[in-house]
Amino acid sequence: SQQGEEDPQALSIQEGENATMNCSYKTSINNLQWYRQNSGRGLVHLILIRSNEREKHSGRLRVTLDTSKKSSSLLITASRAADTASYFCATDEYSGTYKYIFGTGTRLKVLA
Amino acid sequence: DTGVSQNPRHKITKRGQNVTFRCDPISEHNRLYWYRQTLGQGPEFLTYFQNEAQLEKSRLLSDRFSAERPKGSFSTLEIQRTEQGDSAMYLCASSVDAWRNAYGYTFGSGTRLTVV
Repeated sequence: SQQGEEDPQALSIQEGENATMNCSYKTSINNLQWYRQNSGRGLVHLILIRSNEREKHSGRLRVTLDTSKKSSSLLITASRAADTASYFCATDEYSGTYKYIFGTGTRLKVLA
Repeated sequence: DTGVSQNPRHKITKRGQNVTFRCDPISEHNRLYWYRQTLGQGPEFLTYFQNEAQLEKSRLLSDRFSAERPKGSFSTLEIQRTEQGDSAMYLCASSVDAWRNAYGYTFGSGTRLTVV
C-alpha cells in the first residue's frame, strides 16, 4: 500500500525556476521524509521533518508540513538540470514496527 | 564503508527459476529493509529486519519470497519459481534505530530483475 500521494505526477520547468511538489498522506505520523531518485538508481534521503515542525530548510530545499491537512510540500529553489529526478515523500507507519511508506512520486524535469 | 551494496545490479531469469539477491548494509545500521519498485511507482515495503530478527513481512511477500539476515549483517532475498509479475527493482535500505534516526534510510542502488 502507498500512504502518500504526490502532486503533480510530473513537472517540467526551466533552469533557474522554482519547483514545488506536494504530498498528501492518510494517517497520523511522527515524521515525514523526502527522497530523490535518479533514473534507475536507488533513493537518496534529502530531508526529514518531524510532526512538531512546520518548516525546515536544507540548502536550496524548503519543506513544510501541515499535520492538520496531512500534507507536506517540497520547494526546490533556483533549480538546476542536475535536479532532474523523481521525488518521493515517505511517512512512518506503525504496525507493530516502524517503517516508511512511500508515495507515488513526482517526476521533475529541469530544462537547461 | 561506502554505503549499502546490492548484488547483482541486474538479473535476467526465465520464468520458473529461482533467484537470490544480496544486500550488505552499512555496518553500524541494525535495521534493514527490502522494498520493491515497479516502473512509475514508489517503493513498496516488503520486509524488515532488526539485527537478525525478521520483524515484519508485507502481505505482498507471497510464500515464494523468503528473506534472511544471518548474524544481523548482510541479507538475502530469494524468489522461488519466478513469475513475470516479479519483474521489478528490488531495493535494500538500512538505518539506525528509529528513536535516534534523523537521517532516514540509506538505500542501495537496487537489483533490477527481469523475468522472461
